[in-house]
Amino acid sequence: DAKTTQPNSMESNEEEPVHLPCNHSTISGTDYIHWYRQLPSQGPEYVIHGLTSNVNNRMASLAIAEDRKSSTLILHRATLRDAAVYYCILRVISGGSNYKLTFGKGTLLTVNP
Amino acid sequence: GAVVSQHPSRVICKSGTSVKIECRSLDFQATTMFWYRQFPKQSLMLMATSNEGSKATYEQGVEKDKFLINHASLTLSTLTVTSAHPEDSSFYICSARKTATYEQYFGPGTRLTVT
Repeated sequence: DAKTTQPNSMESNEEEPVHLPCNHSTISGTDYIHWYRQLPSQGPEYVIHGLTSNVNNRMASLAIAEDRKSSTLILHRATLRDAAVYYCILRVISGGSNYKLTFGKGTLLTVNP
Repeated sequence: GAVVSQHPSRVICKSGTSVKIECRSLDFQATTMFWYRQFPKQSLMLMATSNEGSKATYEQGVEKDKFLINHASLTLSTLTVTSAHPEDSSFYICSARKTATYEQYFGPGTRLTVT
Protein backbone atom coordinates (compact mmCIF):
# COMPACT_ATOMS: atom_id res chain seq x y z
CA ASP A 1 0.00 0.00 0.00
CA ALA A 2 1.15 3.51 -0.79
CA LYS A 3 2.20 5.18 2.45
CA THR A 4 2.13 8.65 3.87
CA THR A 5 4.26 10.23 6.57
CA GLN A 6 2.89 12.87 8.91
CA PRO A 7 4.18 14.48 12.11
CA ASN A 8 2.69 12.84 15.18
CA SER A 9 1.42 16.09 16.60
CA MET A 10 1.23 19.83 16.00
CA GLU A 11 0.04 22.80 17.98
CA SER A 12 -1.62 25.96 16.87
CA ASN A 13 -3.23 29.01 18.38
CA GLU A 14 -6.83 29.88 17.81
CA GLU A 15 -7.52 32.08 14.75
CA GLU A 16 -4.06 31.46 13.32
CA PRO A 17 -3.39 29.50 10.12
CA VAL A 18 -2.26 25.89 10.39
CA HIS A 19 -0.17 24.04 7.84
CA LEU A 20 -0.29 20.27 8.21
CA PRO A 21 2.37 18.53 6.10
CA CYS A 22 2.25 15.10 4.51
CA ASN A 23 4.94 13.22 2.61
CA HIS A 24 3.98 10.60 0.05
CA SER A 25 7.11 9.94 -1.94
CA THR A 26 5.82 6.65 -3.40
CA ILE A 27 2.67 8.18 -4.89
CA SER A 28 1.75 7.04 -8.37
CA GLY A 29 0.16 9.05 -11.13
CA THR A 30 -3.40 7.88 -10.44
CA ASP A 31 -3.35 8.19 -6.66
CA TYR A 32 -5.56 10.89 -5.22
CA ILE A 33 -4.57 12.61 -1.96
CA HIS A 34 -7.34 12.62 0.61
CA TRP A 35 -7.54 14.32 3.98
CA TYR A 36 -9.90 13.26 6.72
CA ARG A 37 -10.08 14.31 10.34
CA GLN A 38 -11.38 12.50 13.37
CA LEU A 39 -12.63 13.92 16.63
CA PRO A 40 -12.52 11.70 19.72
CA SER A 41 -15.06 8.87 19.67
CA GLN A 42 -16.37 9.87 16.25
CA GLY A 43 -16.00 8.57 12.74
CA PRO A 44 -13.64 10.33 10.33
CA GLU A 45 -14.91 13.40 8.55
CA TYR A 46 -13.97 14.19 4.96
CA VAL A 47 -11.95 17.38 4.64
CA ILE A 48 -10.62 17.68 1.11
CA HIS A 49 -8.98 15.76 -1.72
CA GLY A 50 -6.97 16.47 -4.84
CA LEU A 51 -4.88 14.95 -7.61
CA THR A 52 -2.45 17.50 -9.02
CA SER A 53 -3.80 21.02 -8.65
CA ASN A 54 -4.31 22.92 -5.43
CA VAL A 55 -7.85 22.68 -4.09
CA ASN A 56 -9.98 24.93 -1.93
CA ASN A 57 -13.24 24.29 -0.15
CA ARG A 58 -15.11 25.80 2.76
CA MET A 59 -13.14 23.78 5.28
CA ALA A 60 -9.58 24.00 4.06
CA SER A 61 -7.10 24.29 1.23
CA LEU A 62 -4.87 21.58 -0.15
CA ALA A 63 -1.51 22.53 -1.60
CA ILE A 64 0.13 19.78 -3.67
CA ALA A 65 3.80 19.92 -4.55
CA GLU A 66 4.70 19.98 -8.22
CA ASP A 67 6.30 16.53 -8.02
CA ARG A 68 3.31 15.30 -5.95
CA LYS A 69 5.60 13.76 -3.37
CA SER A 70 4.21 15.96 -0.63
CA SER A 71 1.16 18.02 0.19
CA THR A 72 0.00 20.44 2.84
CA LEU A 73 -3.43 20.85 4.36
CA ILE A 74 -4.06 24.46 5.24
CA LEU A 75 -6.62 25.56 7.80
CA HIS A 76 -6.82 29.30 7.30
CA ARG A 77 -8.04 30.22 10.77
CA ALA A 78 -7.94 27.48 13.34
CA THR A 79 -10.77 27.21 15.83
CA LEU A 80 -11.07 25.04 18.91
CA ARG A 81 -13.39 22.78 16.94
CA ASP A 82 -10.55 22.02 14.54
CA ALA A 83 -8.70 20.09 17.23
CA ALA A 84 -8.63 16.54 15.90
CA VAL A 85 -6.46 13.85 14.36
CA TYR A 86 -5.84 14.67 10.72
CA TYR A 87 -5.20 11.83 8.33
CA CYS A 88 -3.49 12.19 4.98
CA ILE A 89 -4.41 9.19 2.83
CA LEU A 90 -3.61 8.09 -0.68
CA ARG A 91 -6.56 6.72 -2.57
CA VAL A 92 -5.07 3.79 -4.40
CA ILE A 93 -7.03 2.18 -7.19
CA SER A 94 -7.21 -1.57 -6.64
CA GLY A 95 -8.77 -2.80 -9.81
CA GLY A 96 -11.27 -1.11 -12.12
CA SER A 97 -12.80 1.73 -10.17
CA ASN A 98 -12.33 0.01 -6.84
CA TYR A 99 -10.16 1.55 -4.21
CA LYS A 100 -9.67 1.49 -0.49
CA LEU A 101 -8.51 4.09 1.97
CA THR A 102 -5.72 2.96 4.27
CA PHE A 103 -5.26 5.13 7.33
CA GLY A 104 -1.86 5.92 8.83
CA LYS A 105 -1.28 7.33 12.28
CA GLY A 106 -2.24 10.89 11.42
CA THR A 107 -1.34 14.19 13.08
CA LEU A 108 -2.93 15.17 16.36
CA LEU A 109 -3.68 18.87 16.11
CA THR A 110 -4.04 20.78 19.34
CA VAL A 111 -5.53 24.27 19.16
CA ASN A 112 -4.75 26.60 22.03
CA PRO A 113 -7.26 29.30 22.98
CA GLY B 1 -25.33 15.97 2.30
CA ALA B 2 -24.17 12.40 2.63
CA VAL B 3 -25.05 10.83 5.94
CA VAL B 4 -24.03 7.42 7.20
CA SER B 5 -25.60 6.09 10.37
CA GLN B 6 -24.66 3.21 12.60
CA HIS B 7 -26.74 1.33 15.11
CA PRO B 8 -26.22 0.81 17.93
CA SER B 9 -23.83 3.57 18.92
CA ARG B 10 -22.59 1.48 21.82
CA VAL B 11 -23.23 -2.06 22.93
CA ILE B 12 -22.12 -4.24 25.81
CA CYS B 13 -22.36 -7.99 25.42
CA LYS B 14 -21.23 -11.05 27.29
CA SER B 15 -18.36 -13.17 26.13
CA GLY B 16 -19.50 -15.90 23.76
CA THR B 17 -22.53 -14.08 22.41
CA SER B 18 -22.93 -12.49 19.00
CA VAL B 19 -23.67 -8.88 18.24
CA LYS B 20 -24.86 -7.23 15.04
CA ILE B 21 -23.97 -3.69 13.98
CA GLU B 22 -25.92 -1.95 11.22
CA CYS B 23 -24.57 0.64 8.83
CA ARG B 24 -26.93 2.68 6.67
CA SER B 25 -26.38 5.30 4.01
CA LEU B 26 -29.34 7.58 4.64
CA ASP B 27 -29.48 9.78 1.56
CA PHE B 28 -27.45 8.01 -1.10
CA GLN B 29 -26.88 4.60 -2.57
CA ALA B 30 -23.69 2.80 -1.74
CA THR B 31 -22.57 -0.11 -3.87
CA THR B 32 -19.49 -0.47 -1.71
CA MET B 33 -19.23 -0.26 2.04
CA PHE B 34 -16.23 -0.70 4.29
CA TRP B 35 -15.78 -1.82 7.87
CA TYR B 36 -12.96 -0.53 10.03
CA ARG B 37 -11.87 -1.25 13.58
CA GLN B 38 -10.07 1.17 15.84
CA PHE B 39 -8.40 0.36 19.16
CA PRO B 40 -7.72 3.12 21.71
CA LYS B 41 -5.09 5.63 20.58
CA GLN B 42 -4.58 3.75 17.32
CA SER B 43 -5.53 4.45 13.74
CA LEU B 44 -8.38 2.88 11.82
CA MET B 45 -7.70 -0.57 10.47
CA LEU B 46 -9.65 -1.72 7.43
CA MET B 47 -11.31 -5.06 8.14
CA ALA B 48 -13.28 -5.74 4.98
CA THR B 49 -14.84 -4.33 1.87
CA SER B 50 -18.38 -5.32 0.98
CA ASN B 51 -20.12 -4.92 -2.34
CA GLU B 52 -23.88 -5.08 -2.57
CA GLY B 53 -25.08 -8.53 -3.48
CA SER B 54 -21.70 -10.26 -3.28
CA LYS B 55 -19.35 -11.67 -0.68
CA ALA B 56 -17.18 -9.36 1.33
CA THR B 57 -13.45 -9.15 0.77
CA TYR B 58 -11.53 -9.42 4.02
CA GLU B 59 -8.14 -7.92 4.77
CA GLN B 60 -5.31 -10.21 5.69
CA GLY B 61 -5.56 -11.42 9.26
CA VAL B 62 -9.28 -10.75 9.66
CA GLU B 63 -11.31 -13.88 10.36
CA LYS B 64 -14.23 -13.99 7.95
CA ASP B 65 -16.08 -16.58 10.03
CA LYS B 66 -15.88 -14.40 13.09
CA PHE B 67 -16.80 -11.11 11.46
CA LEU B 68 -19.78 -11.80 9.22
CA ILE B 69 -20.61 -9.06 6.76
CA ASN B 70 -23.82 -8.79 4.81
CA HIS B 71 -24.54 -6.08 2.24
CA ALA B 72 -28.03 -6.99 1.13
CA SER B 73 -29.12 -3.62 -0.22
CA LEU B 74 -27.62 -0.42 -1.59
CA THR B 75 -28.18 1.34 1.70
CA LEU B 76 -27.51 -1.28 4.36
CA SER B 77 -24.55 -3.33 5.46
CA THR B 78 -24.31 -5.32 8.67
CA LEU B 79 -21.35 -6.60 10.65
CA THR B 80 -21.95 -9.49 13.03
CA VAL B 81 -19.27 -10.27 15.57
CA THR B 82 -19.78 -13.93 16.39
CA SER B 83 -18.75 -15.55 19.66
CA ALA B 84 -17.39 -12.26 20.90
CA HIS B 85 -14.48 -12.18 23.33
CA PRO B 86 -13.04 -9.31 25.37
CA GLU B 87 -10.28 -8.79 22.81
CA ASP B 88 -12.99 -7.93 20.26
CA SER B 89 -13.86 -4.86 22.30
CA SER B 90 -13.17 -1.94 20.00
CA PHE B 91 -14.62 0.99 18.07
CA TYR B 92 -16.15 -0.27 14.84
CA ILE B 93 -16.64 2.25 12.06
CA CYS B 94 -18.36 1.73 8.75
CA SER B 95 -17.95 3.75 5.62
CA ALA B 96 -20.06 4.00 2.49
CA ARG B 97 -18.94 4.97 -0.96
CA LYS B 98 -21.37 6.78 -3.20
CA THR B 99 -22.17 4.67 -6.22
CA ALA B 100 -20.27 5.80 -9.32
CA THR B 101 -18.24 8.45 -7.48
CA TYR B 102 -15.10 8.44 -5.37
CA GLU B 103 -16.70 10.04 -2.34
CA GLN B 104 -16.48 7.98 0.83
CA TYR B 105 -18.37 8.89 3.98
CA PHE B 106 -17.97 7.48 7.46
CA GLY B 107 -20.45 6.54 10.12
CA PRO B 108 -20.20 7.76 13.72
CA GLY B 109 -18.89 4.44 14.97
CA THR B 110 -20.08 1.74 17.35
CA ARG B 111 -18.35 1.13 20.66
CA LEU B 112 -18.39 -2.59 21.43
CA THR B 113 -17.52 -3.79 24.91
CA VAL B 114 -17.36 -7.52 25.56
CA THR B 115 -17.43 -8.50 29.24
